[in-house]
Amino acid sequence: GAVVSQHPSRVICKSGTSVKIECRSLDFQATTMFWYRQFPKQSLMLMATSNEGSKATYEQGVEKDKFLINHASLTLSTLTVTSAHPEDSSFYICSARGTVGSYNEQFFGPGTRLTVL
Amino acid sequence: QKEVEQNSGPLSVPEGAIASLNCTYSDRGSQSFFWYRQYSGKSPELIMSIYSNGDQEDGRFTAQLNKASQYVSLLIRDSQPSDSATYLCAVKGNYQLIWGAGTKLIIKP
Repeated sequence: GAVVSQHPSRVICKSGTSVKIECRSLDFQATTMFWYRQFPKQSLMLMATSNEGSKATYEQGVEKDKFLINHASLTLSTLTVTSAHPEDSSFYICSARGTVGSYNEQFFGPGTRLTVL
Repeated sequence: QKEVEQNSGPLSVPEGAIASLNCTYSDRGSQSFFWYRQYSGKSPELIMSIYSNGDQEDGRFTAQLNKASQYVSLLIRDSQPSDSATYLCAVKGNYQLIWGAGTKLIIKP
C-alpha cells in the first residue's frame, strides 16, 4: 500500500511553454499534498502545500502565478509550471499525506525531471 | 523556528557493520518522527516511523527515539552496498514535515 504515482517522469520542453505534472495517491486518500523541488546535490525545498478543494499555500519566494497547483480530489493534485524557463529546470517531487493503517504518514511520488531548453 | 539537524557526512561504513545515523530536533513538543532514504536521482522513500520513546525495529533497521534528549537515530545492521544513499530525518510540525539536510551514507565493500 501507500503508493503515489507521478507523471510524467521526465519532460523536456522549450522555454516559454507550460508543463503540467500530475500526482496521484493510488491506494489511500491524501488529505494533504505537497510539492517539492530539488536541485542537484541540494536538499528538498517545499514549494507549496495543498488540501483538497482549497487553494494551495505557497512557501516564501515561490511564485504562485508561475507554479499553479490544483488539488481536485483526495487522490489527485497537479502542478503546472507556466511559461517555463531554463532556471525552472529541476526535479519536482510530489508527496501525499494520508492515513495508512493506524498512522498518518507522508509518501512521495517518483518525481518528475524537468528540463527547459 | 523549528529545526532538524543532521550531520551531512559522508559517513563511511564497512560492509557488514552497523551504520548509525543521528538527528536532533528543536521542538520539544514533536510527536512524530520519520526516516526517509533517498538514492541519487530518486525521490525519498519512507523507511521508518517512530512515535514513542524507545526502539522500533523493522528488519535490519532500528529507529531509536529519546524525547528527553530530543534526538532520534537510525541503526542499519549488516550494512550492504545497496544501503548507500542519503538518509533524511523528518519531524512532523504543525502542518508539514520539518526536514533535516540529510546524511550521506557510503557502505564500502
